[in-house]
Amino acid sequence: DQQVKQNSPSLSVQEGRISILNCDYTNSMFDYFLWYKKYPAEGPTFLISISSIKDKNEDGRFTVFLNKSAKHLSLHIVPSQPGDSAVYFCAASSETSGSRLTFGEGTQLTVNP
Amino acid sequence: DTAVSQTPKYLVTQMGNDKSIKCEQNLGHDTMYWYKQDSKKFLKIMFSYNNKELIINETVPNRFSPKSPDKAHLNLHINSLELGDSAVYFCASSQVAGLYQETQYFGPGTRLLVL
Repeated sequence: DQQVKQNSPSLSVQEGRISILNCDYTNSMFDYFLWYKKYPAEGPTFLISISSIKDKNEDGRFTVFLNKSAKHLSLHIVPSQPGDSAVYFCAASSETSGSRLTFGEGTQLTVNP
Repeated sequence: DTAVSQTPKYLVTQMGNDKSIKCEQNLGHDTMYWYKQDSKKFLKIMFSYNNKELIINETVPNRFSPKSPDKAHLNLHINSLELGDSAVYFCASSQVAGLYQETQYFGPGTRLLVL
């Protein structure tokens, strides 16, 4: 029972354009969400997070949007750069799950020069 | 100056062997974790320790035994390795236990291949 889903295994974008990565969740108890970026042969690196009391959080080129009613979040990268090419994981947690993170299966983003 | 380090990075071994993976963090965090990334690429939590005390123990075969000699180290020992144990194992740490809005920092992973 996969509670966090990233339905697009891959996404290809031109440099300078917007990248939009999507994530859906089924557990309504989730109220904290994170995005991690992972390069090959490295561990996931924290990118940005959002609490359910907000619907948007921005950090430089990265913005995460949360739509609680749709149980959907998205990560926008503007402008996309070739160095952004990586696997992006969405993760979620809840107060009841403590520090247990539930991850999606990841989306491979390729930014073409 | 690695924050979360794991050794070894690669581990190839035969079925039935016993092996250990070591993890160390120099972030001063209280909580450490082991995650498994399987062939379908899902990252799933296995264990979590807070200040040497086990706080999360997911449904993991008891062939897997974590050990935390101090709050900066969390090792994973695996007995009687099976083919299905082949995966990438990630260690992670966070500052405070049980605080669900805490960011977790990951190590580079240990790629285990059981033949």
